[in-house]
Amino acid sequence: DQQVKQNSPSLSVQEGRISILNCDYTNSMFDYFLWYKKYPAEGPTFLISISSIKDKNEDGRFTVFLNKSAKHLSLHIVPSQPGDSAVYFCAASARGFGNEKLTFGTGTRLTIIP
Amino acid sequence: SAVISQKPSRDICQRGTSLTIQCQVDSQVTMMFWYRQQPGQSLTLIATANQGSEATYESGFVIDKFPISRPNLTFSTLTVSNMSPEDSSIYLCSVKQGRVTEAFFGQGTRLTVV
Repeated sequence: DQQVKQNSPSLSVQEGRISILNCDYTNSMFDYFLWYKKYPAEGPTFLISISSIKDKNEDGRFTVFLNKSAKHLSLHIVPSQPGDSAVYFCAASARGFGNEKLTFGTGTRLTIIP
Repeated sequence: SAVISQKPSRDICQRGTSLTIQCQVDSQVTMMFWYRQQPGQSLTLIATANQGSEATYESGFVIDKFPISRPNLTFSTLTVSNMSPEDSSIYLCSVKQGRVTEAFFGQGTRLTVV
C-alpha cells in the first residue's frame, strides 16, 4: 500500500526553466509534507516543507504547493540549475496525531540539461 | 541542523553473517529512526529508537532480524542479522531535534550481501 506516490520516475528540464515535481498521497491523516533531495552516495537533504494549514510555502528558488482536496502537492524549482540534478523524494507525516515518522514516495530523478 | 555520522559507509558481507551499523550525532536528539532503501525503491522506516525505551518496529520488521540499541541521546546502532542477499540495501539513520519539524539523515550505509 503506497500511501505517498510520485508517478514520474524521471524528469528532464532545460537549465533556467521551471522544474515541477509532483506527489500524491492517500492517507487523510497526513498533515505535514516535506521534500528531500538526494545525491548518489549521500543521505537525503531536507529542502522545504509545508503544513496542511497552508497551501503554499516558498524558500528562495523552491516553492511547495499543497492541494488538500486533491491530496496532491508539487515542488516548483525556478530557475532550474545544473546542481539541482538529483533524486527528489516527497514525504509525509501525521504530526498532529502524534506520529513523527515519515512515509516516503518512490522518488523522481531530476536532470537539468545545460 | 544536526551532523550525523554513519559507519561503515559501505560493506560487502557474506550471507549468514551480521553487520552492525553505527550512527553518531553531534548533539542530543530525542528521536532517532532507521530507514532502509532497497535498490530502486523508496525509503522505508524500519524502527524508531528512543533513548531509555525499546525500539518500536514497523510492520514487516522484527527485533530478532534488526536489533537496535540506543544507549544515549547521541548514539544508536542497527544490526542486520543472519544476512541474505535480499538485505542488500542502503541503511539510513535519521534524527529529529526538539521542535524542529524536519528530520535529518546520515550519509547512509550501502550494504551488499553475497
